[in-house]
Amino acid sequence: QLQLQESGPGLVKPSDTLSLTCTVSRDSISSDRFYWGWIRQPPGKGLEWIGNIFYTGNTYYNPSLKSRVTISVDTSKNHFSLKLRSVTAADTAIYYCARGFNTGWSLGAPYFDSWGQGSLVTVSS
Amino acid sequence: DTQMTQSPSSLSASVGDRVTITCQASHDISHYLSWYQQKPGKAPKLLISTASSLETGVPSRFSGSGAGTDFTFTISGLQPEDIATYYCQQYDNLPLTFGGGTKVEIK
Repeated sequence: QLQLQESGPGLVKPSDTLSLTCTVSRDSISSDRFYWGWIRQPPGKGLEWIGNIFYTGNTYYNPSLKSRVTISVDTSKNHFSLKLRSVTAADTAIYYCARGFNTGWSLGAPYFDSWGQGSLVTVSS
Repeated sequence: DTQMTQSPSSLSASVGDRVTITCQASHDISHYLSWYQQKPGKAPKLLISTASSLETGVPSRFSGSGAGTDFTFTISGLQPEDIATYYCQQYDNLPLTFGGGTKVEIK
């Protein structure tokens, strides 16, 4: 059964870069059936899509975060990563990585059929 | 962006009750809608895709319907383990967007 595990610092200083990695187990990240995505959830609030990546390296970002976000993939390590630059307290959230099913309808637009457990990242000095 | 308006934001119902949540899209999204269940302290779990297709292993008391801009999620007999927040998500276009969530509690 697929497993996704987020890893990275739980505390980041304002103006620094948030970096997280999602390691995929028991499935290959190199599949054209799936996208690999990041979604975040501020404490006590709803879900916000950050972006997706395809195994080829094609990326799709939320315009609200696009200027600060980079998602990359390393197929040799079967993991993908998130970098969010110039963070503020508003970026404090649980960050989830997830597998997105490629419906083939809209480029870069899946639904998420499997999620990691989430990683709480707090932005504070 | 396609805005997803979910209602109610919270509800309280008795065990065995029929529970209905609605999700309205600001644009026609055909049937490209999914529903997730998020229990406290846990990651969301996919319940339904393509507006009405139940995921394998999800109890049949959960169901979804709708197309275009108006969608409904139903629990036909609320169970104590269904206490959670439920979210809709459209995947018709980018950016992907979620509804604000509906918190379901037991009365």
